[in-house]
Amino acid sequence: EAAVTQSPRSKVAVTGGKVTLSCHQTNNHDYMYWYRQDTGHGLRLIHYSYVADSTEKGDIPDGYKASRPSQENFSLILELASLSQTAVYFCASSRQSSQNTLYFGAGTRLSVL
Amino acid sequence: QQKVQQSPESLSVPEGGMASLNCTSSDRNFQYFWWYRQHSGEGPKALMSIFSDGDKKEGRFTAHLNKASLHVSLHIRDSQPSDSALYFCAASDGSNNRIFFGDGTQLVVKP
Repeated sequence: EAAVTQSPRSKVAVTGGKVTLSCHQTNNHDYMYWYRQDTGHGLRLIHYSYVADSTEKGDIPDGYKASRPSQENFSLILELASLSQTAVYFCASSRQSSQNTLYFGAGTRLSVL
Repeated sequence: QQKVQQSPESLSVPEGGMASLNCTSSDRNFQYFWWYRQHSGEGPKALMSIFSDGDKKEGRFTAHLNKASLHVSLHIRDSQPSDSALYFCAASDGSNNRIFFGDGTQLVVKP
């Protein structure tokens, strides 16, 4: 089965600090995504990428940067973490196809204090 | 306006009962629909995809799509406690690999 690995699984950060969330996939998929999940909300797309060294903005990109150094790796960067960024973050990958089922990682629970 | 809306927000059914989940989209360009399931503490996992009008059955799970009304449903027959999870409806127009998710339906199956 497709494998998407996220690290760390949980993190506590201080307000104003820098946070980097990492994602690694072994699916040989072109597309990778970062979603955010808050209680009472579904999954909201932050950034995505369809090729190495290129990223695209999703629906809620403000306060986040993304980096895709290789096909397998995709990072989400919070340069100045804020309380409002406390959430669970999911990475996903998919093939380049209109019928593109997403394969998700187990998530990173981020608490900003 | 959210592109994918789900109902109900939460649902409780007895073990062995039928669970019915609903999803409506506001974008007539959506052609592809999925149901994802997320157990507590895990990432979402695709449960079923449905791309054509009508029913699609996989074991105890049946999805129904009506593109004209932009409505898709999921019916779980003989519900089991292990089916307790958060269920997401997702939709795409297929043009740019973007998938839009609803807010989810929390299903509880009581033994």
